[in-house]
Amino acid sequence: KAGVTQTPRYLIKTRGQQVTLSCSPISGHRSVSWYQQTPGQGLQFLFEYFSETQRNKGNFPGRFSGRQFSNSRSEMNVSTLELGDSALYLCASRTGGQETQYFGPGTRLLVL
Amino acid sequence: QKEVEQDPGPLSVPEGAIVSLNCTYSNSAFQYFMWYRQYSRKGPELLMYTYSSGNKEDGRFTAQVDKSSKYISLFIRDSQPSDSATYLCAMSRTGNQFYFGTGTSLTVIP
Repeated sequence: KAGVTQTPRYLIKTRGQQVTLSCSPISGHRSVSWYQQTPGQGLQFLFEYFSETQRNKGNFPGRFSGRQFSNSRSEMNVSTLELGDSALYLCASRTGGQETQYFGPGTRLLVL
Repeated sequence: QKEVEQDPGPLSVPEGAIVSLNCTYSNSAFQYFMWYRQYSRKGPELLMYTYSSGNKEDGRFTAQVDKSSKYISLFIRDSQPSDSATYLCAMSRTGNQFYFGTGTSLTVIP
């Protein structure tokens, strides 16, 4: 079974721009979660989507948004990029119940 | 105070050593506990998953949960150079939202 895939793997943007990241979950998984990983803060939860609806949300500003499509693929958008948004963005999928999740390789975003 | 605290290391041990990795947490409602391994430039991969207290063993890896002390551990026996990675602990109250430690960097020297 194919794992979680994320595109693009690397991205360079400048302050003020916006960016869209994509995540394709494991086949059959209906839940997709997004995380931001930085050296200082570690993995921080952004939000979770299940069956096209946002089910949980972390403590990030409204510049961070997401959506999920009917095929469970998910996108995350960050508007008005700031230098501090430079990070590894990871998505993770699971079937949707109370079990653990499987991570993709991440998208490394650098904001200049 | 962070929900989950983890010593970032780095930790360096000789091959064959027993490694002990630890996390503490503040939320007594956590009941799902996980350990992930993350190699450089890769996403985290699940190593161990435990519900509530107790021990769980899988090959060279043993996970321990002490809910009374709000303390979890991962032990690696007979450590190998291929174990060199960052180890992340994670926990959840409901199984829906997960809180991660910042990770401990481990190097196993041949």
